Amino acid sequence: EVQLVESGGGLVQPGRSLKLSCLASGFTFSNYGMNWIRQAPGKGLEWVASISSSSSYIYYADTVKGRFTISRDNAKNTLYLQMTSLRSEDTALYYCARGAASRYWGQGVMVTVSS
Amino acid sequence: DIQMTQSPASLSASLEEIVTITCQASQDIGNWLSWYQQKPGKSPQLLIYGATSLADGVPSRFSGSRSGTQYSLKISRLQVEDIGIYYCLQAYSAPFTFGSGTKLEIK
Repeated sequence: EVQLVESGGGLVQPGRSLKLSCLASGFTFSNYGMNWIRQAPGKGLEWVASISSSSSYIYYADTVKGRFTISRDNAKNTLYLQMTSLRSEDTALYYCARGAASRYWGQGVMVTVSS
Repeated sequence: DIQMTQSPASLSASLEEIVTITCQASQDIGNWLSWYQQKPGKSPQLLIYGATSLADGVPSRFSGSRSGTQYSLKISRLQVEDIGIYYCLQAYSAPFTFGSGTKLEIK
């Protein structure tokens, strides 16, 4: 069974940093590109970043480019999102999802940016 | 950047009715279009990928189609468990973009 479990969220002050993790199981992690997608409270879905299976290709939304870094450790079956210079508008539920079609999603982890 | 214009924003339909939701891409995205259903408090679920392919375990009353840069999701016979918010996603060219969502309710 494919499982994606996000962690690392919480309450953080504006301007500070936070690192999210997504632990994958039930499939060969190194074979798939991965995505981070977020959803602000009561709002729609927003694609954040994607990384190819070998980390050769990385893409970011304009809203996070230069502040967020997506990475992965295939030996640990883990996807990461390093978030710096956080803003109130980054407050959202952050999901990791597998593959170009985002066939499988985690349950999400909440990030709240507030003083 | 590619814009995805999704319509309608909300929709109220009767059980067994046919429902259609559309996404218009601002440029060619080929078949790099997926549809998702999100129920309250839950993670989105993939319904359709590659514009027309049904994801595993999704009821056959769901179908996807494409006409040029317009993509449609059709529910052939609306069921009560189909209520939720539906999103399209283009993954043809980064930055990938979601439609704004369609809230589907039962009349």
